[in-house]
Amino acid sequence: GEDVEQSLFLSVREGDSSVINCTYTDSSSTYLYWYKQEPGAGLQLLTYIFSNMDMKQDQRLTVLLNKKDKHLSLRIADTQTGDSAIYFCAERPMDSSYKLIFGSGTRLLVRP
Amino acid sequence: KAGVTQTPRYLIKTRGQQVTLSCSPISGHRSVSWYQQTPGQGLQFLFEYFSETQRNKGNFPGRFSGRQFSNSRSEMNVSTLELGDSALYLCASSLVPPGQGTGANVLTFGAGSRLTVL
Repeated sequence: GEDVEQSLFLSVREGDSSVINCTYTDSSSTYLYWYKQEPGAGLQLLTYIFSNMDMKQDQRLTVLLNKKDKHLSLRIADTQTGDSAIYFCAERPMDSSYKLIFGSGTRLLVRP
Repeated sequence: KAGVTQTPRYLIKTRGQQVTLSCSPISGHRSVSWYQQTPGQGLQFLFEYFSETQRNKGNFPGRFSGRQFSNSRSEMNVSTLELGDSALYLCASSLVPPGQGTGANVLTFGAGSRLTVL
């Protein structure tokens, strides 16, 4: 079946690194995405990774993919108060076109 | 370039009424998808359109419908509103037709229309 799971909440201090974890179940997923949602706003794409990659780095963001364990993580280096938001991981199964399967979201709180 | 525009941003309806939400995709984008976001169910796929044709549909009752116009703008309609339809409705657009291409086919989301059903 299709299911994406995330922990609900993460609190870090400003300047520390944040790691948000996600597990998915569909091994046919081609791409996995990380989106950010701030209060009152839509979803902002942060980064994505192709399923045949292990890691992708984009400035302060590092995505790690363990395909064997179906585990995805997003590391934010030097976390800032502006990073406080809800972070969603999503998978795109092979034949699903734009039907992304989203996790429930992880609320990141950055303390000054 | 302008992003995905959704109107109205906020609206309040009562049970039994119907509602129409509008989405204007990024200029040049011809694929439009709709998602419903609620605290209980999270983000769930409603449907997607390309070239005025519905290409995929999520697991929602027939009260939820949509369409796409020749200029790629899309509308979704919910009839006979229920309290559980209260949600943030998100529209997203993409450049690549659904099911085609080998790239990430990134979805760009609008800010959403927040519907409250009383």
